[in-house]
Amino acid sequence: SYVLTQPPSVSVAAGQSASITCGGNNIGSKNVHWYQQKPGQAPVLVISYDSGRPSGIPERFTGSNSGNTATLTISRVEAGDEADYYCQVWDGSGVHHVVFGGGTKLTVL
Amino acid sequence: QIQLLQSGAEVRKPGASVRVSCKASGYSFGNRAITWVRQAPGRGLEWVGWVSGYTGNTNYAQNLQARLTLTTDTSTTTAYMDLRSLTSDDTAIYYCARGGSSGAEDLDYWGQGTLVIVSS
Repeated sequence: SYVLTQPPSVSVAAGQSASITCGGNNIGSKNVHWYQQKPGQAPVLVISYDSGRPSGIPERFTGSNSGNTATLTISRVEAGDEADYYCQVWDGSGVHHVVFGGGTKLTVL
Repeated sequence: QIQLLQSGAEVRKPGASVRVSCKASGYSFGNRAITWVRQAPGRGLEWVGWVSGYTGNTNYAQNLQARLTLTTDTSTTTAYMDLRSLTSDDTAIYYCARGGSSGAEDLDYWGQGTLVIVSS
């Protein structure tokens, strides 16, 4: 089955940029979606189809996807960005199903 | 506005069954799938399965398909998740989320989550 690999944690100083990676075999050929989840809350879609930003998501959130790595970049990180972030793809090969990455805890210093 | 409102927390004993509901409003229910995702305490997101809002077609996670049934009631725009033969490993928050027409798209609106506790 398809596996998505994320770093367990990323730390960044407020005002700097944070990059969260999502690795998968030829992930560049798939559509990647990113979710933000704050403690005690449901996930929120922050990036869709590699780089699309849903309504209400700040421009500071950007996404890219190529080769074996998709990346979520948060510019000018704020304290309110501290959360868990998950990448997600649709694995259409073999058994068709949704796959989530293991999640990355973003800590704002 | 688009909302997904889930039923309240449930406590079950091992071996029992549970039903979680997800009432959708603010959009055309039949045009979208409902995806179910669960999250065990302190763990990441795990895809459970999805059900088409119109056709009722389903797609289940392999590790759950023997115990899982996802259905919809278009008359009440409500989706249901039935999980049988519960074990402690099923203890989790269960979320419903709105997907696209096939279940393969992004999940743009989520319910508030339903905590299911399985304990003797």
